[in-house]
Amino acid sequence: KQEVTQIPAALSVPEGENLVLNCSFTDSAIYNLQWFRQDPGKGLTSLLLIQSSQREQTSGRLNASLDKSSGRSTLYIAASQPGDSATYLCAVIKNTDKLIFGTGTRLQVFP
Amino acid sequence: GAVVSQHPSRVICKSGTSVKIECRSLDFQATTMFWYRQFPKQSLMLMATSNEGSKATYEQGVEKDKFLINHASLTLSTLTVTSAHPEDSSFYICSARDVEWTSTDTQYFGPGTRLTVL
Repeated sequence: KQEVTQIPAALSVPEGENLVLNCSFTDSAIYNLQWFRQDPGKGLTSLLLIQSSQREQTSGRLNASLDKSSGRSTLYIAASQPGDSATYLCAVIKNTDKLIFGTGTRLQVFP
Repeated sequence: GAVVSQHPSRVICKSGTSVKIECRSLDFQATTMFWYRQFPKQSLMLMATSNEGSKATYEQGVEKDKFLINHASLTLSTLTVTSAHPEDSSFYICSARDVEWTSTDTQYFGPGTRLTVL
């Protein structure tokens, strides 16, 4: 059974810091991996999707890497801002459509 | 961008009543929609996959007679929680996949419905 774990569970940092959020999964037979952002009481916003054949994806201040063999992905946030405060979820995608979500990292960036 | 809406956004009901939640794709057609449940401070758990014109596929441990799913059109799926009880209180989120979806595309998520059963 695929298990997806995210470390740390919570993170509080001052504005401007560079951050690394970690995601690990137990079964390396994944199709894709995706990072999402969830604001309190809201739905999900897709941030980055990495195909299994890729090693990283970048969008603005965000960079996500994927190492299938070790079952790990990291989300790097450069120059964090208070508006980045949210819960970040990684999800592995099996069989082209099922998403298995991680436990989430609650991020707070204070001014 | 693709938009998915859910209605209602919040519902409070008495134990034993049934509640219907709608999920709509507003600017695209979705042959497949997904229903997730999220308990407080926990991650999302897939409940079922809803396919237009056919029966839904439920995940292990999800009671299909309690969580009725109907996907009657390419833009609408409904989840009905029958005889709701306090333990069904949760945040229900749907997602939709465009009919022209490819493996590099994302599912689009609705804003969620907060269900509270008294």
